[in-house]
Amino acid sequence: QSALTQPASVSGSPGQSITISCTGTSSDVGSYYLVSWYQQHPGRAPKLIIYEATKRPSGVSNRFSGSKSGKVASLTISGLQAADEADYYCCSYAGSRTLVVFGGGTKLTVV
Amino acid sequence: QEQLVQSGAEVKKPGASVRLSCKASGYTFNGYYMFWVRQAPGQGPEWMGRINPNTGDTHFAQKFQGRVTMTRDTSIRTAYMELGRLTSDDSGVYYCARGTRDSVTGYFDAFDLWGQGTLVTVSS
Repeated sequence: QSALTQPASVSGSPGQSITISCTGTSSDVGSYYLVSWYQQHPGRAPKLIIYEATKRPSGVSNRFSGSKSGKVASLTISGLQAADEADYYCCSYAGSRTLVVFGGGTKLTVV
Repeated sequence: QEQLVQSGAEVKKPGASVRLSCKASGYTFNGYYMFWVRQAPGQGPEWMGRINPNTGDTHFAQKFQGRVTMTRDTSIRTAYMELGRLTSDDSGVYYCARGTRDSVTGYFDAFDLWGQGTLVTVSS
């Protein structure tokens, strides 16, 4: 069982927007803005798409956006494209002992 | 360009150990912590530990304490991870990943560069 809770799957049509939630606790998401999101296509390594809850690395499309409120972080993908079909994982700093926790992942299907 | 290149796939028997390598290029090796993250089939990533390439200091996830070792050779910009007493539950893809740190707090921030992954299969 993963430390952060994500929905197992979400789906959307091309051009639509979807949001993936990531629920943590007061020991991780609730206490730090250090939440990151990763996109992973089958057989590939994860790719960083959001860091510090809301920031995009250089080169990542502005169709990807992040937010955080309390113990819940969210990833929104607007203008869905077929290439967005992948698994998405959230991750949070969780203090000096536990350090890092991941979510179990959400499979995005673009139908 | 910045990249992490990992060693090839491994097949091990239960009870054995496995040593993986991760060679960095294109950036200052000593400037970033190196993490090891594994992913079991169909599961989310799980962090195993990290090493400070500058000092050799390590920090392991509690789950792997006593069973994992992380080292580095700064002369060849390579990090190593050795996992012992393997069981079938250790089968999966192992990644090295560069960890950034928040500029204000110094806390772990994100994994901004990943290796291609190494498949480890544990089977009798």
